[in-house]
Amino acid sequence: KAGVTQTPRYLIKTRGQQVTLSCSPISGHRSVSWYQQTPGQGLQFLFEYFSETQRNKGNFPGRFSGRQFSNSRSEMNVSTLELGDSALYLCASSASTGSFEKLFFGSGTQLSVL
Amino acid sequence: LAKTTQPISMDSYEGQEVNITCSHNNIATNDYITWYQQFPSQGPRFIIQGYKTKVTNEVASLFIPADRKSSTLSLPRVSLSDTAVYYCLVGYPTNTDKLIFGTGTRLQVFP
Repeated sequence: KAGVTQTPRYLIKTRGQQVTLSCSPISGHRSVSWYQQTPGQGLQFLFEYFSETQRNKGNFPGRFSGRQFSNSRSEMNVSTLELGDSALYLCASSASTGSFEKLFFGSGTQLSVL
Repeated sequence: LAKTTQPISMDSYEGQEVNITCSHNNIATNDYITWYQQFPSQGPRFIIQGYKTKVTNEVASLFIPADRKSSTLSLPRVSLSDTAVYYCLVGYPTNTDKLIFGTGTRLQVFP
């Protein structure tokens, strides 16, 4: 079974631009969550989508948004990029069917904002 | 939200057993304890999860005392490839917004 796939792997943008990152979950998984990882702040939860609906949201500004499609693939968008948005963006999927839940992470998209 | 405290770093040698302890004093009744491993430039990988007492799988053991205010991840006979950051998470697994990763423990294994 294929794992969680994130594209692109690396991205370089300049301040003020916007960016869209993509995540394909493990087949059959309906929950997709996004995390931002930086050396200073560690792993921080952005949001989670389940069956095309945002189920949970972290404490990030409205510049960060996401969506999920009917095939469970998800995208996240960051508008008006700032230098502080440089980070590793990780996507995780889960079956979200019961109590013993595992998150399966992709390798991430490394975003550099210049 | 259940906050966790782990050592920032640990060193070990190949073949030794490594125990990483996580403190979670305000764990809630419904919370589970989950450990993840992360290598540089990769996403975290699930290691083990438990609710109470002891859980063992093919790669690790998780010890949880009766009061559940702490937990210990035990890695038997570590190898160089176990050099990574280990995160302890406390929360209900499907409450993704409540799963706080914290700073993790950086384990360095030497030959």
